[in-house]
Amino acid sequence: DIQMTQSPSTLSASVGDRVTITCRASQSISSWLAWYQQKPGKAPKVLIYKASSLQSGVPSRFSGSGSGTEFTLTISSLQPDDFATYYCQQYNSYPLTFGGGTKVEV
Amino acid sequence: EVQLVESGGGLAQPGGSLRLSCAASAFTVSSNHMTWVRQAPGKGLEWVSVISSGGSTYYADSVKGRFTISRDNSKNMLYLQMNSLRAEDTAVYYCARGGCIATSCYVYFDYWGQGTLVTVSS
Repeated sequence: DIQMTQSPSTLSASVGDRVTITCRASQSISSWLAWYQQKPGKAPKVLIYKASSLQSGVPSRFSGSGSGTEFTLTISSLQPDDFATYYCQQYNSYPLTFGGGTKVEV
Repeated sequence: EVQLVESGGGLAQPGGSLRLSCAASAFTVSSNHMTWVRQAPGKGLEWVSVISSGGSTYYADSVKGRFTISRDNSKNMLYLQMNSLRAEDTAVYYCARGGCIATSCYVYFDYWGQGTLVTVSS
């Protein structure tokens, strides 16, 4: 199974900050990686697919990069609506696996 | 507008069964890969099962042999039959749709339901 490791697990930031979250795969997944945002009590929302493709309707302050085993999600200027938990997910092979999550808090 | 609405959650005893349903609208469940993902209280996301557009099924080891994913194309519904339930199956269960780009479909998930809570307890 491919293990996905996110860091940090918690991130304290302020509005306007540039935020970077890292996701590492235990083996190469090419670019088969998605990023999700989840707010308390709500379903996840896809932000990025194929490592760097922005999902339709997602603000351009979100961007993704990486390939192989190292990936990053960057929020260029954190907005009040962005305080949430973020998950990466690999879809290179079954079983599909998620990272443990990164909570972005004030 | 694409919508997914889950139902069927509730309280079940250890060793019992439940069937979750997911009603899809504005697309056909057979045209996309479909999944169930769960989230235990206060925990992260855990993939449970996928049914591909072609009908192949895949399961997490933690549910293999106990859970069965299926779909009814005529009703445009996705299901998860859960047998031999355990306390560790307690979670919110989400159904979600796999994304498609042009004519290729994948198992990242672009639309999610609101979730249904399953509690396994005596």
